[in-house]
Amino acid sequence: EVQLVESGGGLVKPGGSLRLSCAASGFTFSSYSMNWVRQAPGKGLEWVSSISSSSSYIYYADSVKGRFTISRDNAKNSLYLQMNSLRAEDTAVYYCARGSSGGNAFDIWGQGTMVTVSS
Amino acid sequence: EIVLTQSPGTLSLSPGERATLSCRASQSVSSSYLAWYQQKPGQAPRLLIYGASSRATGIPDRFSGSGSGTDFTLTISRLEPEDFAVYYCQQYGSSRYTFGQGTKLEIK
Repeated sequence: EVQLVESGGGLVKPGGSLRLSCAASGFTFSSYSMNWVRQAPGKGLEWVSSISSSSSYIYYADSVKGRFTISRDNAKNSLYLQMNSLRAEDTAVYYCARGSSGGNAFDIWGQGTMVTVSS
Repeated sequence: EIVLTQSPGTLSLSPGERATLSCRASQSVSSSYLAWYQQKPGQAPRLLIYGASSRATGIPDRFSGSGSGTDFTLTISRLEPEDFAVYYCQQYGSSRYTFGQGTKLEIK
C-alpha cells in the first residue's frame, strides 16, 4: 500500500524550532519529488515547500523562506521539514504529499501532523 | 505570484444535481499544471483532476475538468452523498504552487 506518515508535530513556543518527518512506503521514494503543504485551523491549503527526487531542486513559499528547510533521505525513504523561528501564524496541520510523475499535482497525501505555535 | 480565485465560495445543491465549480487565475496558467482536490472534514486532500482534465486513479467519471488559460471548471455530473466536501484548485508555475481558497459544496 502506498503510504505517507507524518510525525514530529506538537506545541512549541514562538521563536522555537521543530522538525517534521514523513515516512514513505509502498513506492520507490527516490523516484518522486516531495512536498509539504499546510492548513491553518479552519483555513485553506497553503503550499510550503518542494524538493526534487535527488534534492537538486528545492523551492519555498515566501512565507517560510529563510526559516524552514526541506530535505530528504532516499536511503531511509524519508522527507523532513526543519522549522526554525516559528511564529503563531505557522500553526497548522502539515501534510507531506508526493509529486505525481509529471510533477504537476500531488497524488498521495499523508494524514498530517499538527503544529501549534503558542506561548 | 499567480492568484487562483474560486467561485462560488459555497454551493448548495441536492444529490443527483449537477455541480459546476469555477477557478479563475490572475494570469494564464499552463493546463498541464492545473489540478483539483477534494477534502472532507478531518481528512487529507485527495487528488481528483490533474492536467486540467485528466482524472486521477480511481476517480469516478462523474468528475470532469475543463478549461484553459485563466478559466477552469470542475463539473460533477450527478452528485452523490459522498461528494459533499470542500474543493480546491491548484496551479504550478515559476517554481511555486498556489491553491485557490476553496469551494464548499454542501447539501441543500
